[in-house]
Amino acid sequence: GQQLNQSPQSMFIQEGEDVSMNCTSSSIFNTWLWYKQDPGEGPVLLIALYKAGELTSNGRLTAQFGITRKDSFLNISASIPSDVGIYFCAGHAGGTSYGKLTFGQGTILTVHP
Amino acid sequence: DAMVIQNPRYQVTQFGKPVTLSCSQTLNHNVMYWYQQKSSQAPKLLFHYYDKDFNNEADTPDNFQSRRPNTSFCFLDIRSPGLGDAAMYLCATSPGTGHIPTQYFGPGTRLTVL
Repeated sequence: GQQLNQSPQSMFIQEGEDVSMNCTSSSIFNTWLWYKQDPGEGPVLLIALYKAGELTSNGRLTAQFGITRKDSFLNISASIPSDVGIYFCAGHAGGTSYGKLTFGQGTILTVHP
Repeated sequence: DAMVIQNPRYQVTQFGKPVTLSCSQTLNHNVMYWYQQKSSQAPKLLFHYYDKDFNNEADTPDNFQSRRPNTSFCFLDIRSPGLGDAAMYLCATSPGTGHIPTQYFGPGTRLTVL
């Protein structure tokens, strides 16, 4: 089945540093999504990418849909303590407008003040 | 304003005692999903409804059932919870149209099985 390899698994950074994480796949996805999950809460959508090559920003967050459709990255600039959480990438490969997402394993981000 | 609402946020049940988790949405989305998430793992899809059409994942145990009485509400029934069913249960929705598979999650229900 389809799999997403998300890296790194965890990051420990100082407040103010920039962060980069990525997801790669052996198969093509038509949509890439990035979510953040705080402890005890559901995932919150950060950025959605629908076209190969698309580069989208949301405040301090920037994400790109890889040209090959097999990868995506998320950058966080000037990290702050509230950026702490688990970041998941997710891809949708199907021809329908709904259905199963394939999730990465998550990146646990810790930000030291 | 909350768009995907899950109740209760925390549920404690006894081994073997049926439990029902509920989800409601104000987005008028066609598709509703139920996921199981265990500690520090990615969410695992159990099943989804496109309108009233039910789609079960192949590896979802028979112990898990779902009902969607109308567009806004969807329920997860666990008929005989085992210790291994203790997890966070997440409800999500997506429009189901317009080539937008983006899913929006609720806050989750944390299930404890004693």
